[in-house]
Amino acid sequence: SQKIEQNSEALNIQEGKTATLTCNYTNYSPAYLQWYRQDPGRGPVFLLLIRENEKEKRKERLKVTFDTTLKQSLFHITASQPADSATYLCALDMLNSGYALNFGKGTSLLVTP
Amino acid sequence: GAVVSQHPSRVICKSGTSVKIECRSLDFQATTMFWYRQFPKQSLMLMATSNEGSKATYEQGVEKDKFLINHASLTLSTLTVTSAHPEDSSFYICSATQLAGGTQETQYFGPGTRLLVL
Repeated sequence: SQKIEQNSEALNIQEGKTATLTCNYTNYSPAYLQWYRQDPGRGPVFLLLIRENEKEKRKERLKVTFDTTLKQSLFHITASQPADSATYLCALDMLNSGYALNFGKGTSLLVTP
Repeated sequence: GAVVSQHPSRVICKSGTSVKIECRSLDFQATTMFWYRQFPKQSLMLMATSNEGSKATYEQGVEKDKFLINHASLTLSTLTVTSAHPEDSSFYICSATQLAGGTQETQYFGPGTRLLVL
């Protein structure tokens, strides 16, 4: 079955550093991969989408890479700020379910001043 | 743009009662709406996919007679949890994809509804 794994342990980093989050998947050949941000008690917010034929995508301080050989995506936040503290979810398209998404459990990021 | 609302934001009900949750796309027409459920410290799990004017498609293990979905228009979908039990207590989140003006792969999520069944 399709499996998505994200670092289960929280990531604590200092303000100004780069945060790197990992998403690995198995039994999958996704057409695209997405990253969402979720704050406690709130719905996810879309951040970035990267397609299978793209290696890297950037948006302001965010950068996503997609390695279909390693079956891995890395999500980077440069010059991190305390306001970046949240849970970050990796999501891939579900097989045979239209545009429905299969989500990882997410990685909690805490940026301290 | 691409705002999705949910109502209510939280609800507490007695076991055996039914609860209706509304999901609206406020500033766009939604091709498709999705309903997810999230238990504490778990990932979002897809419950069903809903297209306007047609029957919802439910994921394996989700009882369609218990979780009734009505998709009356391109901006409104409702989820009714019938005869709710304590194990139905969870965070219910809807999402929508845009009919036009955006990539259909991107989902716009509502703020979620916290359901507590006593």
